[in-house]
Order: sequence, then structure tokens, then C-alpha cells
Amino acid sequence: GAGVSQSPSNKVTEKGKDVELRCDPISGHTALYWYRQSLGQGLEFLIYFQGNSAPDKSGLPSDRFSAERTGGSVSTLTIQRTQQEDSAVYLCASSFDRRSSYEQYFGPGTRLTVT
Amino acid sequence: EDKVVQSPLSLVVHEGDTVTLNCSYEVTNFRSLLWYKQEKKAPTFLFMLTSSGIEKKSGRLSSILDKKELFSILNITATQTGDSAVYLCAVTSSNTGKLIFGQGTTLQVKP
Repeated sequence: GAGVSQSPSNKVTEKGKDVELRCDPISGHTALYWYRQSLGQGLEFLIYFQGNSAPDKSGLPSDRFSAERTGGSVSTLTIQRTQQEDSAVYLCASSFDRRSSYEQYFGPGTRLTVT
Repeated sequence: EDKVVQSPLSLVVHEGDTVTLNCSYEVTNFRSLLWYKQEKKAPTFLFMLTSSGIEKKSGRLSSILDKKELFSILNITATQTGDSAVYLCAVTSSNTGKLIFGQGTTLQVKP
């Protein structure tokens, strides 16, 4: 079946602009996660959704970052007034249920470059 | 603070060699440890370990967890050039299931 998909695959934006990154999880997966991977760094947790609610937003680096999920499916990560330090690969992952399985399946990511 | 440390950070071997990758962790409310392989962008799932001493195997790859000493190893036997990748170790804690990642080990297998 289809895996996790993300769009766009690459995004170049000017400093100060807003960007929206999209994630389509695997059908039937109720848990959805956003991570960020900066150059040469490990993956850093940003936010977790269970259904449409976000019980854990502890990884969002600033109030310029927000995310929502609608219909228990698609999620959008929004970065306002982008800064150069926001340049990274943004990865989305989903799992069937946070309790029954912690096997998270990752999408191909969005590479964001802020110039 | 929860943390995951992997070693070595990078490794170069020749085809046919056996490699051992290490992962140690400090995390409250440990639930599971996962290994991923990352070749381009998307990490691909390899193993999930929850119990000590039980080896998981998939072909030439195997992994084991020691919950007393707080570490895991990933073994790759008879390495091939296609094994070249970044290997990521992550742990989950609390009820959210979020993954806490190590820095990764970059493995290069030369012909």
C-alpha cells in the first residue's frame, strides 16, 4: 500500500516568508509525528498528533512553528517568518497507534532552504 | 535530560567484513529501542527491541538490547556496498511514542 507522502519535496524560500509543509500519513494510522534533521545532525522531534489533537508539542523550537491535523489524516506544518536556521529536512512519520506499536514509518521528507 | 549516544560516528569497512554499531541511552520511562537505516531522506525501519537478551535477526542484520546496561548493538555480517548508509538508533519513552534519536553512525562499505 501507499507509504507516507510529503510535499513539496524541496522548498526554497526567502528569509521572512511563511511556508507550509504537508504530510499524508499511511491510511489508518492514527499517530503522526514531525521531526527535523539539520545538516549533520540527528533527527529532532517537533510535534506529535493522536487523531487531530497534539498532546506533545514540546519540540517546536519557537512560536513561529505551528502544526495542525484535520480529519485524522493530513497534517500541515507551518513556519512563519522563516529564518536561515530553519533550513533542514522536515520528516513526517506515522504509526498505527501509539500504544500498540512504536514502529514509525517515515515519509521522504521536505528539504527546506531559507535564503 | 533524555539522550541517545551512538558510536562510532563513522566507519569504513570492506565488503565481507562484519561490523558492530553501538547505541547507549539514558531515558526516563523507557519503552522501546528502534534501529533505522537512512540512505537518502526517509529512514527505513529495521528493528524494534523491547526486551533484554532477545536477539532480533533479519538476514545479515541482527540486534540485541541490554536494559540493565542501557545499550543495544546492531551487527551486520558479510557487509555489502548496499549496506552503506547512516544507521540511526532511537528510543521511545512516555506515552507519546516520540522517538529520541542518536546522532547516527555513517557506514561506508568499500568494494
